[in-house]
Amino acid sequence: AQTVTQSQPEMSVQEAETVTLSCTYDTSESDYYLFWYKQPPSRQMILVIRQEAYKQQNATENRFSVNFQKAAKSFSLKISDSQLGDAAMYFCAYRSALHSGAGSYQLTFGKGTKLSVIP
Amino acid sequence: DGGITQSPKYLFRKEGQNVTLSCEQNLNHDAMYWYRQDPGQGLRLIYYSQIVNDFQKGDIAEGYSVSREKKESFPLTVTSAQKNPTAFYLCASRQGEEKLFFGSGTQLSVL
Repeated sequence: AQTVTQSQPEMSVQEAETVTLSCTYDTSESDYYLFWYKQPPSRQMILVIRQEAYKQQNATENRFSVNFQKAAKSFSLKISDSQLGDAAMYFCAYRSALHSGAGSYQLTFGKGTKLSVIP
Repeated sequence: DGGITQSPKYLFRKEGQNVTLSCEQNLNHDAMYWYRQDPGQGLRLIYYSQIVNDFQKGDIAEGYSVSREKKESFPLTVTSAQKNPTAFYLCASRQGEEKLFFGSGTQLSVL
């Protein structure tokens, strides 16, 4: 079974600075997807960024980028120019790409990192 | 606006009582999911449904039941067999292969 580990329960960053959240995962599969979700105080889960394992290029979405190291099974999230609205829980998640259909679309989540942004 | 609506936002359950959490979507998505979130934990899958009148157990289905009589609706019943129901419950639907859309959740507590 796949596992996802987020080793930083809490992080803080100064507004306008850059912060990196860590995520490691364990899998024997070669093809999969990785995600970062944001959960603000409203508690709604919002997709921040996703990475396909077969793509070597790191995904980016505006101020959010990832450092995907497949051999090391590492998937960190970098937030540049941090804003107050970035304060939230961040969850790393894994999905196997072996099968299609809803049955296989099972996300395995890490326990999350609580990010605080200091004005 | 298209989206997923969960209700109620807060729900209280008495001992031995069954309660039902509502999840409605107007996104025309086939697949729908129920997740449970405990404090300090990530999400865990309870049940999922690929199509109307079909659903499958996830990792922690014991003490829960679902139905999928309409494409738009995927209600979750927390039965009295669920001994530790206090948690935050999130419903989601899926677009294509990759993107999950989440509702705003229901916080269930035991009186």
